Amino acid sequence: GIQVEQSPPDLILQEGANSTLRCNFSDSVNNLQWFHQNPWGQLINLFYIPSGTKQNGRLSATTVATERYSLLYISSSQTTDSGVYFCAVESGGTSYGKLTFGQGTILTVHP
Amino acid sequence: SAVISQKPSRDICQRGTSLTIQCQVDSQVTMMFWYRQQPGQSLTLIATANQGSEATYESGFVIDKFPISRPNLTFSTLTVSNMSPEDSSIYLCSVEHSFQPDSYNEQFFGPGTRLTVL
Repeated sequence: GIQVEQSPPDLILQEGANSTLRCNFSDSVNNLQWFHQNPWGQLINLFYIPSGTKQNGRLSATTVATERYSLLYISSSQTTDSGVYFCAVESGGTSYGKLTFGQGTILTVHP
Repeated sequence: SAVISQKPSRDICQRGTSLTIQCQVDSQVTMMFWYRQQPGQSLTLIATANQGSEATYESGFVIDKFPISRPNLTFSTLTVSNMSPEDSSIYLCSVEHSFQPDSYNEQFFGPGTRLTVL
């Protein structure tokens, strides 16, 4: 099956700093999503981005499908950005609808 | 996006017992999924819940341990049977549903059920 690798595994920032999270995947995808898991376990949809670039406030994401990676940018980080960020992909075909998750990046933002 | 609820939100159970988790969606969806997140780990797909037919299980998960029902297009249940401490996890349901044509296969997750088995 498709492999998903996220880096870095852990990231510690001071409030106001910028960061880039990376997601590499091993095969072509027809769905790529970024999620933020809050301390209560809820998965929050950040981006649906199988290709191209999107922005939402301080967050933006870019997926280069031909090179099989995606980047999540967080600017001017806030303590509320802390949590785990997951990249998940769907490769289609017999895997239709099935999301494969990376291991996540644990982000800690200090005041 | 669809609004998804799960019951219970959390539970503490004794080993050897079973727990049924409910997932309710506020609109009809074709595809519903159940995931498990073990402590400190990522999410792993357990099965796809199909309306009107048997669920499709992923490698490592079996129907006897995780029976699933899907009686209609807005509801599904997952039962964790004969529980052991290794079943302590967050269980999440998800649906593939979007009102946007350019994100037709975007998935949304319920709030999760946090299960502790003693």
